[in-house]
Amino acid sequence: GAVVSQHPSRVICKSGTSVKIECRSLDFQATTMFWYRQFPKQSLMLMATSNEGSKATYEQGVEKDKFLINHASLTLSTLTVTSAHPEDSSFYICSARGRPPSTDTQYFGPGTRLTVL
Amino acid sequence: DAKTTQPPSMDCAEGRAANLPCNHSTISGNEYVYWYRQIHSQGPQYIIHGLKNNETNEMASLIITEDRKSSTLILPHATLRDTAVYYCIVRVAANDMRFGAGTRLTVKP
Repeated sequence: GAVVSQHPSRVICKSGTSVKIECRSLDFQATTMFWYRQFPKQSLMLMATSNEGSKATYEQGVEKDKFLINHASLTLSTLTVTSAHPEDSSFYICSARGRPPSTDTQYFGPGTRLTVL
Repeated sequence: DAKTTQPPSMDCAEGRAANLPCNHSTISGNEYVYWYRQIHSQGPQYIIHGLKNNETNEMASLIITEDRKSSTLILPHATLRDTAVYYCIVRVAANDMRFGAGTRLTVKP
């Protein structure tokens, strides 16, 4: 299957700082990328969807000014958590979907565990 | 996208087949059935998907009933490494994946 990578895998930061997470599709062009968040013992929750070269579409309740998403190329999307606070501590997972004929399947990255002190 | 219902947990003996059910009684004609799994502290892993016909790949088999209102994911010879949360998702092709609670499968020696 297609490979999606994330960097870093784990990050610890102080409250009030910003953190950037990178998501890359390694062997396919991702026309659409997705960002999810997962709190302990809960399921994944979709935060936003982005198409290459377009602004991201955020789910209800997700602050677009706090979670900045950039999908500048067909292989890279970044999520920046601005002014992070302890309640932003979570497991952040990106996902990517490619061009036809592979548009149906989303492939997921390994996740980034963010801890805000 | 149609809602799915899965049992919260299941156990399976190592080496035996694991059969994970999923109900999707409101599925519409253009919606696919997808299965993913998530091993602890990792991102979801794609397993298999289908529309009407049964599907098989190197990981699993997907059996979809004729009325498409339910499906079963079959892991033919479960190993300890198959212990994970398994998600059944029904969606049209262009939509994003939205996850329910899934089934926590525990494979026991």
